[in-house]
Amino acid sequence: DAGITQSPRHKVTETGTPVTLRCHQTENHRYMYWYRQDPGHGLRLIHYSYGVKDTDKGEVSDGYSVSRSKTEDFLLTLESATSSQTSVYFCAISDNEKLFFGSGTQLSVL
Amino acid sequence: DQQVKQNSPSLSVQEGRISILNCDYTNSMFDYFLWYKKYPAEGPTFLISISSIKDKNEDGRFTVFLNKSAKHLSLHIVPSQPGDSAVYFCAATSRGYGNNRLAFGKGNQVVVIP
Repeated sequence: DAGITQSPRHKVTETGTPVTLRCHQTENHRYMYWYRQDPGHGLRLIHYSYGVKDTDKGEVSDGYSVSRSKTEDFLLTLESATSSQTSVYFCAISDNEKLFFGSGTQLSVL
Repeated sequence: DQQVKQNSPSLSVQEGRISILNCDYTNSMFDYFLWYKKYPAEGPTFLISISSIKDKNEDGRFTVFLNKSAKHLSLHIVPSQPGDSAVYFCAATSRGYGNNRLAFGKGNQVVVIP
């Protein structure tokens, strides 16, 4: 998976609890992204980063925050999880137009 | 509003025949287009891409055609093989954005029947 590790691979949590997903890369790529995949919606961008401490919102950023304190790590936080955030979350990295994706995190919010 | 659209959510095709997937886009700033393939429980993997300066790009059994005036692209898989059974996503970006953000379509499920 192009040197991308997502953790955890699966998580079940309760509504209202905070959740943090981690993406770690070994490729030293500048750009990192968080997408979510839902039936009928395809892949939608949540947040992305273009460098350490440099992040920006995507198309579905409400309810999510991110942090990038090191080149290799990009964290996605759900401050207070809701059932609508049940989804598969993919991290991606790039240095050009081609994105490389991790294996995904299946998150269930009950 | 969805900028990349993939209609016909699913496609079944006999092994050895051609699979054709279609994609339309609305943003005239898009100048680079990609196709990704996704198996269940795995992340999407890059398949093939095309720049807006070209109208065709070929890589083995996979060919992508671009019609800029119609804002339409298609992916041809010839011959289709059972291992091609997957979800295919069309994606687009503008190199002028400088952030490599990709807009994705909703995906097409392809089933290749042996």
